[in-house]
Order: sequence, then structure tokens, then C-alpha cells
Amino acid sequence: ETGVTQTPRHLVMGMTNKKSLKCEQHLGHNAMYWYKQSAKKPLELMFVYSLEERVENNSVPSRFSPECPNSSHLFLHLHTLQPEDSALYLCASSQDGGQGIDSEAFFGQGTRLTVV
Amino acid sequence: QKEVEQNSGPLSVPEGAIASLNCTYSDRGSQSFFWYRQYSGKSPELIMSIYSNGDKEDGRFTAQLNKASQYVSLLIRDSQPSDSATYLCAVNTGGFKTIFGAGTRLFVKA
Repeated sequence: ETGVTQTPRHLVMGMTNKKSLKCEQHLGHNAMYWYKQSAKKPLELMFVYSLEERVENNSVPSRFSPECPNSSHLFLHLHTLQPEDSALYLCASSQDGGQGIDSEAFFGQGTRLTVV
Repeated sequence: QKEVEQNSGPLSVPEGAIASLNCTYSDRGSQSFFWYRQYSGKSPELIMSIYSNGDKEDGRFTAQLNKASQYVSLLIRDSQPSDSATYLCAVNTGGFKTIFGAGTRLFVKA
């Protein structure tokens, strides 16, 4: 069991649905991330929050909406997704030393999302 | 041009051999370099981090960094079947941007 917990582990949703992915970290870190991992593609950074402020938005479509209410929790709200959005969505956390990311990221187990 | 490049493999080595995984990156200003291991259906887990030129050893793993050549590698000594996984190279290019390679699949034959 890692210090970063994601729920749900699996999600099937229709293109008109609205759902949310949840991430919680128990490591005392102050930076949290959403990554997308598609088959045979590199991990793609989607969003970064440092000290609960969004510091990176990697040209992600607006149908993905992140929320970081505190340094331990991160959400990814999903609406009107497309089948090509089907992927493994990974949450990660790290300790930001104030100069961006030098420290290692710890990943949650991921949410396997299928859009039908 | 890809920012972090890895040979996708699979790299197949016999048990007990040294597995050598390589990675090149394009941003010359990169300062932080990481190797992650990802088993099928699981999330990536950190194996090594390296920040300065040279070698860094941790148990059976050695990371090597050559910033002049923009090259980072991971050596796994005495490879075990349990080492069979995809190995991801990750490079921090500044700020919060860590770029991952597509990974190299390693298969250790018993």
C-alpha cells in the first residue's frame, strides 16, 4: 500500500456523464500532480498543484477540471469525455523545496478510466 | 523531437546478467533525473534519483549520468526474474515539469 491513495481504481463512464477522481496523500508532501498514461505512450503531465495553488496546466482540455482543497487531497472532475480519454490516470505527490521539483514523486495506484 | 528518449525494448537478459537501460534527453538545462520501475497494471515506483555527473549506486542498481552527452543510464546487476518490468526514465526540466520517457520493457529469463 502506497502513501498515495486513489479512488476509484476502475471507472467506466459514458460521454455525457460527470464523474470525479479522488487522490489523497499521507506523506506530508506539499505538491500534487495528475498524470495521464495511455497505452504505449509516455506519462503525460496534466496538472500540478504546489501549496494548493495550480502551478502547471499542461494544455489539458477543459473537460478535465482539477481541484485541490488542501495539500493532502486532489480531485479531477470529468465531464463530456471522449473515448480517446480512456487511459490510466495517476496521481502523484512530492515535497517541493521551493524551487520546483527536485524531489522524487510518489505515485498512487491509478484509476483505469474507460469512456464508452 | 522527443524530450526524453528510451529504447522501447523488450530488452531480454538471462538471470544473473547485467541489464543496461539507457535514456537520452534534449533539454541541456535539466538538473534532476529519475528512474522508475512499473510492473504491468501497477503504478510507477521510484528506484533511483541522480543529480550530478557520475555514478550512484544503491544495492544492485547503479545510475549513471553524463550531462555533457545528455545521457542517463541504469544498470541492474545480478538481474532477477522479479526485475522484469518497464523502466521509465524521467527528467526534470525546471520548475515543476518532469518529463517521462515511454519506458523500456525488461525481461529477465530464468
